[in-house]
Amino acid sequence: GAVVSQHPSWVICKSGTSVKIECRSLDFQATTMFWYRQFPKQSLMLMATSNEGSKATYEQGVEKDKFLINHASLTLSTLTVTSAHPEDSSFYICSAPAEGLANTEAFFGQGTRLTVV
Amino acid sequence: GDSVTQMEGPVTLSEEAFLTINCTYTATGYPSLFWYVQYPGEGLQLLLKATKADDKGSNKGFEATYRKETTSFHLEKGSVQVSDSAVYFCAISPGKLIFGQGTTLQVKP
Repeated sequence: GAVVSQHPSWVICKSGTSVKIECRSLDFQATTMFWYRQFPKQSLMLMATSNEGSKATYEQGVEKDKFLINHASLTLSTLTVTSAHPEDSSFYICSAPAEGLANTEAFFGQGTRLTVV
Repeated sequence: GDSVTQMEGPVTLSEEAFLTINCTYTATGYPSLFWYVQYPGEGLQLLLKATKADDKGSNKGFEATYRKETTSFHLEKGSVQVSDSAVYFCAISPGKLIFGQGTTLQVKP
């Protein structure tokens, strides 16, 4: 099946620094990718929809200047957490829907555990 | 707006017990329905799906049937194993995925 690779799987950074998370579709093209955030023992919260060649669409309450999304190519989307603070510590997961199919499932990356100290 | 509601966990069962995790949804139109599983420290994996009314999705002994009349997609397994311990998410896809809150399943030997 289709594979989405997310990197890094975990990262620890100092408060005030920026962290970049990559999401790649390995064997298919993804014009759209989704970024989710998951708090401990909670569900996934959709943060934004990443669109190749255009600006990302952010969900209500998500700071677009803090969570920068760049969909550089048909196989790569990046999420940069800028000026990270401890409250940004979370599990971030990307996904990409299978192309060409309506109402289809999404393929998920393995997630990135971000810890800001 | 569209939403998904799952039964609250955690659900604790003994090995070989019968499992049911309830899921109901609210949506405009006819979304596709999914169950995802998340093992500790990992991302989500698709467990099964159904794309139209009365479809039954199945995988690894798990089953769920798309019930349009009750807007439900309950997950069942006849005999759980310790290795089934994970968090299970019900989701609908009217485009982007909308997840339920997740149900933690713990299976004891």
